[in-house]
Amino acid sequence: NAGVTQTPKFRVLKTGQSMTLLCAQDMNHEYMYWYRQDPGMGLRLIHYSVGEGTTAKGEVPDGYNVSRLKKQNFLLGLESAAPSQTSVYFCASSRGWTAVPYFGPGTRLTVT
Amino acid sequence: KNEVEQSPQNLTAQEGEFITINCSYSVGISALHWLQQHPGGGIVSLFMLSSGKKKHGRLIATINIQEKHSSLHITASHPRDSAVYICAVLTGGSNTGNQFYFGTGTSLTVIP
Repeated sequence: NAGVTQTPKFRVLKTGQSMTLLCAQDMNHEYMYWYRQDPGMGLRLIHYSVGEGTTAKGEVPDGYNVSRLKKQNFLLGLESAAPSQTSVYFCASSRGWTAVPYFGPGTRLTVT
Repeated sequence: KNEVEQSPQNLTAQEGEFITINCSYSVGISALHWLQQHPGGGIVSLFMLSSGKKKHGRLIATINIQEKHSSLHITASHPRDSAVYICAVLTGGSNTGNQFYFGTGTSLTVIP
C-alpha cells in the first residue's frame, strides 16, 4: 500500500500561472481533504470531498478549485497563482469525517 | 480569534523526562485529533478522542469535554519524539456544515 501520495513534491510558479496538484490514495477512503500549512498559522482546510463526484468548501477556498472524478484521486487546481498561495499543501484521506486521517507527504509550492 | 490554542509553543526536554502538551478549544466538537509532524514534514495521526483517555506505548491522550481541554503526555521521552505536535478539533457530525480547526502546534525537542 502506498497510502496517500502527492504529485509534485516541489513546484515554483510565476504569478498568474496555473497548475494542478494531484492526490491519490489506495485505501478506498470516501473522504479526501486538501490543506495548506503556513508558518504560525497551522493547517487550514481548503476543500474536501465526502465521496466520488462531490466537493465542498473548507475554511480558505478562494483561489482554488477541486475535482473528485475518481474515488482514489482528488485534484487541487490553482487557476491564476498568487504569491499569497506560497505554502506547503497537504492532502489527506479518511474513512469518514471522524475517522483517522492519513496524510500525504506534502507539496511545497512557491509563487514568485 | 483561534478556536484551538496549544501550549507551550516550544518545549525542550531532557531525555527521560515526562512531557505534557495542552490543547484548549472554544467550539463544540465531535472529535479531537493529536497529530505528529516530523522534521521532514510528514504528518501522522497519533490519537482520535471523543471522551476519556487513550494510551499507545509511551503516549497518553486525555480529553475533558466539559472543560474543553485535552492533554498529550509522553512518558520517558526520547530524542526520536522530537517533532511538532498538533491538536485538531472537528465540529459537527454529519457530511455537511462541518469544520476542522487546527492548533499552531507545539515544537518539542528532546535532548539526549
